[in-house]
Amino acid sequence: KAGVTQTPRYLIKTRGQQVTLSCSPISGHRSVSWYQQTPGQGLQFLFEYFSETQRNKGNFPGRFSGRQFSNSRSEMNVSTLELGDSALYLCASSFRLAGADTQYFGPGTRLTVL
Amino acid sequence: SQKIEQNSEALNIQEGKTATLTCNYTNYSPAYLQWYRQDPGRGPVFLLLIRENEKEKRKERLKVTFDTTLKQSLFHITASQPADSATYLCALDMDSNYQLIWGAGTKLIIKP
Repeated sequence: KAGVTQTPRYLIKTRGQQVTLSCSPISGHRSVSWYQQTPGQGLQFLFEYFSETQRNKGNFPGRFSGRQFSNSRSEMNVSTLELGDSALYLCASSFRLAGADTQYFGPGTRLTVL
Repeated sequence: SQKIEQNSEALNIQEGKTATLTCNYTNYSPAYLQWYRQDPGRGPVFLLLIRENEKEKRKERLKVTFDTTLKQSLFHITASQPADSATYLCALDMDSNYQLIWGAGTKLIIKP
């Protein structure tokens, strides 16, 4: 089975621009979660989607948004980029129907905001 | 307030010894606790999961304990090897709100 894929792997943007990151989950997984990771910080939860519905959202400003398509692929968008948005953005997929939610992560997108 | 803590300092262990990593939490009642490994520039990889009613779980050289009274999980790697060097993350699974709560991770360095 193919793993979780994320595109692009690296991205350089300037302040004020917007960016869209893409995530393709493992086949059969309907839950996709997005995280932001900065040096020394744990994974900060952005949002989780299941069957095209956002079921939970972390404590991030409205500039961060996401969506999920009918094939479970997901995108996240960050508008009006700030220097502090520079981070590794990870997506993870899982079955998440009931019980424990073991997550399978993609390699991440390294976003640098100049 | 709710928080989850892992050793913030890197842990240096001699090859062949047992490495023990700690995960403490307050004001949570997780249904499960999970441990992941993360190598630089990569996403975390799932290692072990332990349920609230389990005291201990093993997988090859890995062992996890879970004490819901102390609100603590210990993660052990026996016969450690330099290839075990990585950052290890614990995550609480509340089984209710579709979100794992993550610790900041402990960097483990195994010296040959």
